Order: sequence, then structure tokens, then C-alpha cells
Amino acid sequence: GENVEQHPSTLSVQEGDSAVIKCTYSDSASNYFPWYKQELGKRPQLIIDIRSNVGEKKDQRIAVTLNKTAKHFSLHITETQPEDSAVYFCAASPSSGTYKYIFGTGTRLKVLA
Amino acid sequence: EAGVTQFPSHSVIEKGQTVTLRCDPISGHDNLYWYRRVMGKEIKFLLHFVKESKQDESGMPNNRFLAERTGGTYSTLKVQPAELEDSGVYFCASSPLGGGGYGYTFGSGTRLTVV
Repeated sequence: GENVEQHPSTLSVQEGDSAVIKCTYSDSASNYFPWYKQELGKRPQLIIDIRSNVGEKKDQRIAVTLNKTAKHFSLHITETQPEDSAVYFCAASPSSGTYKYIFGTGTRLKVLA
Repeated sequence: EAGVTQFPSHSVIEKGQTVTLRCDPISGHDNLYWYRRVMGKEIKFLLHFVKESKQDESGMPNNRFLAERTGGTYSTLKVQPAELEDSGVYFCASSPLGGGGYGYTFGSGTRLTVV
């Protein structure tokens, strides 16, 4: 069936270092890949997304890369700050808003001051 | 604009009892989704409404779960009777009819604990 694998499950980095979270998806029909950040007790928030016709997208300190051939996509956070500490979820879907998302299991990122 | 609102935020019930969760989507959003996250696992799809119609209910675990969206506005998810494995955080999300071109907006979730 459809699934998304996400690694690592936990990640600790020193403040100022980079963090990378990787996901692999199985459904070839997937064309939309959002990343959500969930801080403790809060709602998951969309932080960046990428579509299959784009290989890379950047927004300030965060970037996402997509290798559609290998069915891999990754989140890169540079110059990490304590407020980046949260659980990050990747997802894959054939559509941005009109179809279900298949989520990964989440990565708990801890940025150590 | 108001976001996606869910209540209650927390619910603790005994096995065998009934619980009803409510979701108010962003006004005008025709797509409404229910998801659930069990401790440490992925956020798993339950079902998708388009207006008042169930577009996809393939993720509903069994017939103890009943979702409704009367009038195409708010939605309820009833669990009856609740079992221990139903514990988790239930999220609702919404998006405009055509998708809006961006990821959908989540509510803060309802943490359900069945004891």
C-alpha cells in the first residue's frame, strides 16, 4: 500500500548546525510533498512544500529537495535555533488540497543551545 | 480569519463509553479531513468530506467510528463504544474546494484517552 518512510525518528543538533530529515514515498502518483512542523501542544503547521515539477525549493533557512526518480525528498534546516525544536512530518499526495496525505512517522528535532 | 477549531482539546473516557469530537473548518472550506496520530506513529488518514459528502472513508478503522458533516459546515466524529486502542490525537484539517494550491490547515487536535 501507500506509505512514507521518514528518518531519523529523533535528531539532536547544536544550535547553529544544520539538520536534515529524509523521506521516501511509494506511490508514483504523488506530486505534492508538504512538510509540517508541530510544536508541543500545538497544531501541525505547514512550513514548506514542493511539487514534482521542481527539484528544490528554499525559504530562508529551510529548503526541500525532491528526487522523483528515486522517490526521495528531504528537509534541510540551516543555522538551527532553539525555536526550531519540534516534531517535523513529511507527507506525500497526488494533490495539495483535494486528496488525502500519507504522512511519515515524524522526526523529533532538538536544537541544543 | 479564524483557523480550524477543534473541541474538546482533551477527553478522558472509560472503555465502552461514547465520545463525540467536533471540528469547525475555516469558513468556506469545502474539503474537511480527519486524521489520527497514535503515540509515536504517523498521522494517519481517517476520512475526507467534500461539503457534506464523504469523498473517501477508506481510513476509518471500523464501524465504531461515525463521522458526519451536516450542512457541509462543521463535522463530528463519534466513537461508540470506545476501546483502549482508540486513544490518540485526532486532527481535523480543511482546504478550499479546488485545493487552494497549498497544503491544508490543521486544527490543534483532540487528545483522546480511553482508560
